[in-house]
Amino acid sequence: QVQLQQSGAELVRPGTSVKVSCKASGYAFTNYLIEWVKQRPGQGLEWIGVINPGSGGTNYNEKFKGKATLTADKSSSTAYMQLSSLTSDDSAVYFCARTARATAMDYWGQGTSVTVSS
Amino acid sequence: DIVMTQAAPSVPVTPGESVSISCRSSKSLLHSNGNTYLYWFLQRPGQSPQLLIYRMSNLASGVPDRFSGSGSGTAFTLRISRVEAEDVGVYYCMQHLEYPFTFGGGTKLEIK
Repeated sequence: QVQLQQSGAELVRPGTSVKVSCKASGYAFTNYLIEWVKQRPGQGLEWIGVINPGSGGTNYNEKFKGKATLTADKSSSTAYMQLSSLTSDDSAVYFCARTARATAMDYWGQGTSVTVSS
Repeated sequence: DIVMTQAAPSVPVTPGESVSISCRSSKSLLHSNGNTYLYWFLQRPGQSPQLLIYRMSNLASGVPDRFSGSGSGTAFTLRISRVEAEDVGVYYCMQHLEYPFTFGGGTKLEIK
C-alpha cells in the first residue's frame, strides 16, 4: 500500500535550519511528484512547492523561495524539505503529498510539527 | 496568483441531511485539454487532509458516493448527501492549474 512516512516533530532554535523527510513506499517513487504544504496552528493550508523526484526539478511558491529547499533521493525513495533561517512564523505542521497530473495529492504524509523557540 | 474563496467559514448540518459547500476561483480553472483542475479535500480533526474529489467532479478512490463535485470554470460546489458524523472537519478547495497552487480558506462542517 502507498505510504508517505514523515520524520518526527522538531523543536529548533530561531535562526537555525531543519530538514524534514518524507519516505515513500508502495509505489514507483519517480513516477509521481511530491508536494509540500504548510499549516500553521488553527489555520488553513498553504502550498510551498513541488519536486519531481525523477528529474530533481522543482517549483516553489514565491513566498517560500529562500526559505524552503526541496530535494529527493531516488536511492532511498525519500523527499526532503529544508527550512532555513527559522523564525516563529515557521512554526507549523508540514505535510508532504504525492501527486500525479490526473489525481493531485492523493496520498499524504502524517505531517511533521516544527516548533521554533528559544 | 489564483485566489480561491470559500465564503462560508462554517456550515451546520443535521445528520442525514444534505449540504453544499461553495468555492470560487479568481480565474477559470478550465484547461485547454477539457479538464477543470479543481480539487476538494477533507481534513478531519488532528488528521492529514484527504483527497475527496479531483478535477472538479471525479470521486477519489475509497470516497463514499455521498460526495459529489460540480461547477463551472470559476464556481464550484461540493455536495454531501446523507451527512454522517464522520464527515465532520474542514473542507478545502484547491486549484491545481497553475503555480503557485492555492487553497481556499476552508469551510468547517459542524453537526447540529
